[in-house]
Amino acid sequence: QVQLQQWGAGLLKPSETLSLTCAVYGGSFSDYYWTWIRQSPGKGLEWIGEINHDGNTYYNPSLESRLTISVDTSKNQISLMLRSVTAADTAVYYCARGETGMVRGVMLYWGQGNLVIVSS
Amino acid sequence: EIVMTQSPATLSVSPGERATLSCRASQSVNSKLAWFRQNPGQAPRLLIYGASTRATGIPARFSGNGSGTEFTLTISSLQSEDFAVYYCQHYNNWPRTFGQGTKLEIK
Repeated sequence: QVQLQQWGAGLLKPSETLSLTCAVYGGSFSDYYWTWIRQSPGKGLEWIGEINHDGNTYYNPSLESRLTISVDTSKNQISLMLRSVTAADTAVYYCARGETGMVRGVMLYWGQGNLVIVSS
Repeated sequence: EIVMTQSPATLSVSPGERATLSCRASQSVNSKLAWFRQNPGQAPRLLIYGASTRATGIPARFSGNGSGTEFTLTISSLQSEDFAVYYCQHYNNWPRTFGQGTKLEIK
């Protein structure tokens, strides 16, 4: 049974850094790409970026200048850091498991989501 | 970036009836297209990938069709849990992008 559990600060002030972690339980950690997605009322679902166990990343160009996604293979965890947040970064943030091989990019397993609010 | 456009924005259908949702890509995504259902307060749930392959545990009333730029999701006999928001998403290249969603509501 694959489970993704997320945590992190839920309330930030503008210009602060958003930091979230996603722990993976069950299944192989090294065989997949681990993905962050966010959902806001204004922009709907937005793919943020992904990383594999080797640290290879793909980032959304719209966020790349403020974004770091990292991996800790010893803990089967991935982390998201988004710097210099504004109200536009207010969203529910999800982590998800991205499949590989012939179904590269398919996201079957998702975390529960974390609401992050940016407000002064 | 590929823009995904879903229609209609809202669809009103009676329980037990059929619903057909559409998704269009601004350029070809081949068959690298997924559909998700999102119920209130929950994460999106994968229904279809590869444009037409049902994900594990998804009932046969869900079917997907299309390739290139035009795709459809059909739900043959609507159950109560199917009244939700549906999203299409391509994974043909980066960045992956989602449609804006179709809300399926009870008529």
